[in-house]
Amino acid sequence: HLQLQESGPGLVKPSETLSLTCNVSGASIGSYNSYWGWIRQSPGKGLEWIGTIYYSGTTYYNPSLKSRGTISSDTSRNQFSLKLTSVTAADTAIYYCAGDQYESSWFKDWGQGTLVTVSS
Amino acid sequence: QSALTQPPSVSGSPGQSVTISCTGTSSDAGTSNRVAWYLQPPGTAPKLIIYEARNRALGVSGRFSGSKSGNTASLTISGLQAEDEADYYCSLHTGSNTLIFGGGTKLTVL
Repeated sequence: HLQLQESGPGLVKPSETLSLTCNVSGASIGSYNSYWGWIRQSPGKGLEWIGTIYYSGTTYYNPSLKSRGTISSDTSRNQFSLKLTSVTAADTAIYYCAGDQYESSWFKDWGQGTLVTVSS
Repeated sequence: QSALTQPPSVSGSPGQSVTISCTGTSSDAGTSNRVAWYLQPPGTAPKLIIYEARNRALGVSGRFSGSKSGNTASLTISGLQAEDEADYYCSLHTGSNTLIFGGGTKLTVL
């Protein structure tokens, strides 16, 4: 049974870098045809895709982030991470990590989410 | 960048059926079946219910069904139950390997 768990600071100052990690259990993030992503949800708003890292290490990002986001993976620790630079209050959101072991087009398994607040 | 439009809210009484639409603006929306639906009860993470426009995810009730015609995908929930009350989101995987979510639809069971 695949499980994902987000971790990281709950409070980040404006202009600084938001860093989150997703620990995966029940599957290897380097497994062929597995896909891992970050999605966020601002308070009271809808879902916004941030980006996806493929099992191969290839990454794709939401163009609206204007290159502020970077997703990386550490197969030795079976975790993947998100870094979002130059954050503003608009980046305050619940951040979810998610994965799918077969498809890049949707995510079957999700973490519980972690709230990150951007404030001085 | 394509956009997906969903009605902000729908409602129905227990036992009735409701349909939520998801209309895309790009050519991807018309040609791709890489559409998924998620439900999100309040305070919880989204749950995948439909993938590839019409396939139910494992363990999802047969009361949920998906379809697609042209640029519009639809999610139909039959035999409404109180537990179906949630936010519902569609998503589309584009030809440039990005993922777009619809704005979400709040389902109220009257």
